[in-house]
Amino acid sequence: AQKVTQAQTEISVVEKEDVTLDCVYETRDTTYYLFWYKQPPSGELVFLIRRNSFDEQNEISGRYSWNFQKSTSSFNFTITASQVVDSAVYFCALRGNQAGTALIFGKGTTLSVSS
Amino acid sequence: DSGVTQTPKHLITATGQRVTLRCSPRSGDLSVYWYQQSLDQGLQFLIHYYNGEERAKGNILERFSAQQFPDLHSELNLSSLELGDSALYFCASSVGASGASTDTQYFGPGTRLTVL
Repeated sequence: AQKVTQAQTEISVVEKEDVTLDCVYETRDTTYYLFWYKQPPSGELVFLIRRNSFDEQNEISGRYSWNFQKSTSSFNFTITASQVVDSAVYFCALRGNQAGTALIFGKGTTLSVSS
Repeated sequence: DSGVTQTPKHLITATGQRVTLRCSPRSGDLSVYWYQQSLDQGLQFLIHYYNGEERAKGNILERFSAQQFPDLHSELNLSSLELGDSALYFCASSVGASGASTDTQYFGPGTRLTVL
């Protein structure tokens, strides 16, 4: 069975603080895909990143960075110098190695950034 | 803007009624997925269509059905509605032309269904 755990339900930070959102996954597939999506207060789901299981390089995109560690089955997301606009619910998701396989989502982490 | 469109944005109806949610995928995408987001269940996969054919089913109730039309838009039909069906319903699309497992699913803005 596949599972995604986001243990942090809610996180509150002050602007300019760095924050890390944790994601732990379970799968028996040898090849799989991990995703992060952002859901701002307006409600839409915005794709942030996809990481393939065979590519363990970490990635940085502006203030966002992702740390993929196969050894601990984790795919953590760090926001550097957080801003109020980063306030949203962030979802980590997993998909196995079959074409069209559905995304398995974690419960999400609500990030609140205050000024 | 993901390029995926969903209508209507909001829908309010009564128990026992039937509604249809509509989704248009991104240009060139052949796969359409439907997800339900509720407070107690979170984001759950309902059903997947690829180029007009059903490919996978998730936790979709028998009262719910979907189809994908030749122009690739999709409709999710919800019947005999219950209070517990109130949720945000998302449609997502991916390229899926060759069934490539690297496809990323891009989500529409969702339809918020309220059953009174």
